[in-house]
Amino acid sequence: QVQLQESGPGLVKPSETLSLTCSVSGGSVSSNSHYWNWIRQSPGKGLEWIGYIDFEGGTNYSPSLRSRVSISLDTSKNQLSLSLTAVTAADTAVYYCTRAAATIRNYFDPWGPGTLVTVSS
Amino acid sequence: DIQMTQSPSSLSASVGDRVSITCRASQNIGSFLNWYQQKPGKAPKVLIFGASNLHSGVPSRFSGSGSGTDFALTISGLQSADFATYYCQQSYGAPPWTFGQGTKVVIK
Repeated sequence: QVQLQESGPGLVKPSETLSLTCSVSGGSVSSNSHYWNWIRQSPGKGLEWIGYIDFEGGTNYSPSLRSRVSISLDTSKNQLSLSLTAVTAADTAVYYCTRAAATIRNYFDPWGPGTLVTVSS
Repeated sequence: DIQMTQSPSSLSASVGDRVSITCRASQNIGSFLNWYQQKPGKAPKVLIFGASNLHSGVPSRFSGSGSGTDFALTISGLQSADFATYYCQQSYGAPPWTFGQGTKVVIK
């Protein structure tokens, strides 16, 4: 079955760029049936959808993060990536990659285990 | 954005109890409502999609109901493995897709 694994620096300085990668196994990011999403969860808080990318590289981002976020695909490595610029302490969170069906009725499944990113000098 | 409000924020219950969690959307979302379970240090897992459809492999003691703006997740016969935090999430139309703030189920 499809498995996802996030990776990247666990510590980022304020004002710098957060960069994470999600490696996908058991399935292809080139699938025209799915959206590949990033979701984050701040410590002790709820879940926030960041955005998704589809197999053609089309993207959709949360309005609250749109000015700072970018999601890209590397089909040769079967990976997706997240870039978040000008980070602050408020961006400290566990970041998850997850898949959703590109249909009218979708849900997030499966999820990667998540990776904690701390923004601190 | 569509706001999702869960209640209660936490509840205490005993093994064997019947437990219900409610989720209210700020606008009509039809049946585009999903439920997730999250245990400490783990990623969420989908339980229910489309308001009332049980995801593959999820025990039948979990059920979902509702449509429009009001939804519920019910656990009939709480098991020790069910003590966790539960989130609703709307998938109505175009993003942003939003989550409720979560309901933590703890042992009484």
